[in-house]
Amino acid sequence: SYVLTQPPSVSVAPGKTARITCGGNNMGTKSVHWYQQKPGQAPVLLIYYDSDRPSGIPERFSGSNSGNTATLTISRVEAGDEADYYCQVWDSSSAHQVFGGGTKLTVL
Amino acid sequence: EVQLVDSGGGQVKPGGSLRLSCAASGFTLSSYSLNWVRQAPGKGLEWVACISSRSSYIYYAESVKGRFTISRDNAKKSLFLQMSSLRAEDTAVYYCARDPAPTGRGAFDIWGQGTMVTVS
Repeated sequence: SYVLTQPPSVSVAPGKTARITCGGNNMGTKSVHWYQQKPGQAPVLLIYYDSDRPSGIPERFSGSNSGNTATLTISRVEAGDEADYYCQVWDSSSAHQVFGGGTKLTVL
Repeated sequence: EVQLVDSGGGQVKPGGSLRLSCAASGFTLSSYSLNWVRQAPGKGLEWVACISSRSSYIYYAESVKGRFTISRDNAKKSLFLQMSSLRAEDTAVYYCARDPAPTGRGAFDIWGQGTMVTVS
């Protein structure tokens, strides 16, 4: 089955840029979606189809996907961005949705 | 307001059964695929099952295939997950989630609040 690999944790100072990666075989050929989940809350869609943002999501959140890695970039990080972040793809080979293991973003 | 409300969770003994429901409001349910996603305590998200807008396509994670059944009633604006032969490792918060792709291969743009299932 298809595996998505995320770093367990990323730390960043306020105002700086955070980059969270999501690795998978031939990732660039798939559409990647990103979610933010804060403690005790349901996930929220941040980025869909690699780089599109739903209405209401700040422009500070952006996505890219190429080769074997997709990247979620958070610019001008704020304390309120501290959360778990998950990537997700549809794996057509197995007909499964697949989530990455999640990355905990800590704002220093 | 566009909303999904999960219900039906609870505590059940190993080998038992439980039926989860998800009520939709604020949008036309029949235009969307629907999913169940679960999250074990302290763990990440795990996709469980998907049903396309007209129930033409149904997919299951290997971990639940043969034990769980996803279904929907568009007229009643509801999604269901019938869970049987439950195991301790099925303990999790279960979320329903909406996917605008009619065949169920897209992103999950709306999520329910989750309902807790404890198998013990």
